[in-house]
Amino acid sequence: EAQVTQNPRYLITVTGKKLTVTCSQNMNHEYMSWYRQDPGLGLRQIYYSMNVEVTDKGDVPEGYKVSRKEKRNFPLILESPSPNQTSLYFCASSPLGRNSPLHFGNGTRLTVT
Amino acid sequence: GESVGLHLPTLSVQEGDNSIINCAYSNSASDYFIWYKQESGKGPQFIIDIRSNMDKRQGQRVTVLLNKTVKHLSLQIAATQPGDSAVYFCAEMEDYKLSFGAGTTVTVRA
Repeated sequence: EAQVTQNPRYLITVTGKKLTVTCSQNMNHEYMSWYRQDPGLGLRQIYYSMNVEVTDKGDVPEGYKVSRKEKRNFPLILESPSPNQTSLYFCASSPLGRNSPLHFGNGTRLTVT
Repeated sequence: GESVGLHLPTLSVQEGDNSIINCAYSNSASDYFIWYKQESGKGPQFIIDIRSNMDKRQGQRVTVLLNKTVKHLSLQIAATQPGDSAVYFCAEMEDYKLSFGAGTTVTVRA
């Protein structure tokens, strides 16, 4: 089944403790992206990648890192999480061609205390 | 700045009626538009898309209308069913950047 898989689905952590949220897609998509979803603010892009070893900042990149060492994986790294990073995170992927819809994972709900 | 937004945050619909969800966009350079459905506990799910060189596109029970003159996008759902209860987002794309509106919560009344 074609899908975007995120892990974990739920994560509670404390301020300053490094964490990684994994994302993997099995559709051979070049483009991958991370979004955070907050009430009243909708989906905001954190980082995106148009291919292996190519990453770029989205609208809200502060406090996050990503890597794209392989085509299928695009982990999101929080080196020193803070409470304002408590949010619902979505990974998405698509073919690189224009006019291609994003396929989303089922989300990771992160709470930073 | 330019953004995509929805006219109403909530919509209550009687089962069996048609639903219309509206969206206004302001980026005239956007050339691709998508409607997503998000159910509780899940990620956004693609419903239908439309390119800027079209003004209407139909899918199964759904129709998207694009009015570039007034920068307006709508999603019509025919014969709304309980399973249509969800949050609906419109999104616009310029180059490879996808921008989302805040969403409309659709509740279907039995």
